[in-house]
Amino acid sequence: DSGVTQTPKHLITATGQRVTLRCSPRSGDLSVYWYQQSLDQGLQFLIQYYNGEERAKGNILERFSAQQFPDLHSELNLSSLELGDSALYFCASSVGRTSSPLHFGNGTRLTVT
Amino acid sequence: AQTVTQSQPEMSVQEAETVTLSCTYDTSESDYYLFWYKQPPSRQMILVIRQEAYKQQNATENRFSVNFQKAAKSFSLKISDSQLGDAAMYFCASFMNYGGSQGNLIFGKGTKLSVKP
Repeated sequence: DSGVTQTPKHLITATGQRVTLRCSPRSGDLSVYWYQQSLDQGLQFLIQYYNGEERAKGNILERFSAQQFPDLHSELNLSSLELGDSALYFCASSVGRTSSPLHFGNGTRLTVT
Repeated sequence: AQTVTQSQPEMSVQEAETVTLSCTYDTSESDYYLFWYKQPPSRQMILVIRQEAYKQQNATENRFSVNFQKAAKSFSLKISDSQLGDAAMYFCASFMNYGGSQGNLIFGKGTKLSVKP
């Protein structure tokens, strides 16, 4: 058990809808990262937060947004969903130092129909 | 931009044998960190081993060890005494540090390892 909790485990929704994925980092970790893993794209970095502030942005679509709350949990919001958004979404956390490894949650499997 | 390349989409090894997974990376940073993650069929991402670029000594974790060749920008993973539970997708990753607690892991495409009994 990595200590990173992601909910829900599975999500099935229709095109055009909006969903929210939630992540609770390991105790003591200040950084939260979001990754998208689809079958043909591997693991793509979306966004990083550190202690409530956005710190790094990857290939995140404008339809997607995220935030990290004062209690350090994070939410990833996906709107106007398309079939191509179907993927496994991972949250990872770390203490924030460059030498510290990322610990991953079990992911949320999103299926857009 | 940093890139991580895994040139072997699939590998196979006999149980109890040794296998080496290849990884090359490209970075302009002098201080960076390299990782191997394992993703079994359960889809969890599990940290296997970590290497600090400033350390010359190769990292070792039980049956897992790396061959870190900094000049060649090569970071291969050796699995000794392979077990059925080692069957998984293995991802090589490089930590891209922007400074000020900014950064992210850049992943390779992965190598699928099969273990034959």
